[in-house]
Amino acid sequence: TQLLEQSPQFLSIQEGENLTVYCNSSSVFSSLQWYRQEPGEGPVLLVTVVTGGEVKKLKRLTFQFGDARKDSSLHITAAQPGDTGLYLCAVDSSYKLIFGSGTRLLVRP
Amino acid sequence: SAVISQKPSRDICQRGTSLTIQCQVDSQVTMMFWYRQQPGQSLTLIATANQGSEATYESGFVIDKFPISRPNLTFSTLTVSNMSPEDSSIYLCSARTPIDEQFFGPGTRLTVL
Repeated sequence: TQLLEQSPQFLSIQEGENLTVYCNSSSVFSSLQWYRQEPGEGPVLLVTVVTGGEVKKLKRLTFQFGDARKDSSLHITAAQPGDTGLYLCAVDSSYKLIFGSGTRLLVRP
Repeated sequence: SAVISQKPSRDICQRGTSLTIQCQVDSQVTMMFWYRQQPGQSLTLIATANQGSEATYESGFVIDKFPISRPNLTFSTLTVSNMSPEDSSIYLCSARTPIDEQFFGPGTRLTVL
């Protein structure tokens, strides 16, 4: 079983639409990270959330850490084709980064 | 930050052969890791590469199949041994800096025929 389950697995939307990606677990974490990976590249860190209920904004991206620190969401406003990629949540487990199942986003022009 | 390079970037290999992937980091890092990413999927940790000693493998991965070396702080190799088509994947090197930032290489795309 996956430690971190992401939903949806795949999302295809039109440019300008909004979307939310979820990352859920039954475990409690001290922090959680979100990465984006584009084809032919490694994942790149977008944000780290550390406090239950925390909200962080990165331009059109809004990240939230659940109050109980078991889940997180990523909301993208007015998606653009450049947002296309694989979005991964991840947690630190004994100094090892463990990734969620991933959400593949396609934004059509 | 850390910039990570991998060689080769891709390869096509025959079953039963072995391939060694090299990973070089441009700055000193504390920890290095190897991940596998199967087509369309997320990343799975293979092992932690330990400097000067045997790597620490995750469940489902063994040293005989994936021997790893890390002779110094900034260089590591992963060998995929006795390959089969099921080994076709992207293999990514990763490193953690002293301030706990983690960076990834671009990956090596392996196809086994």
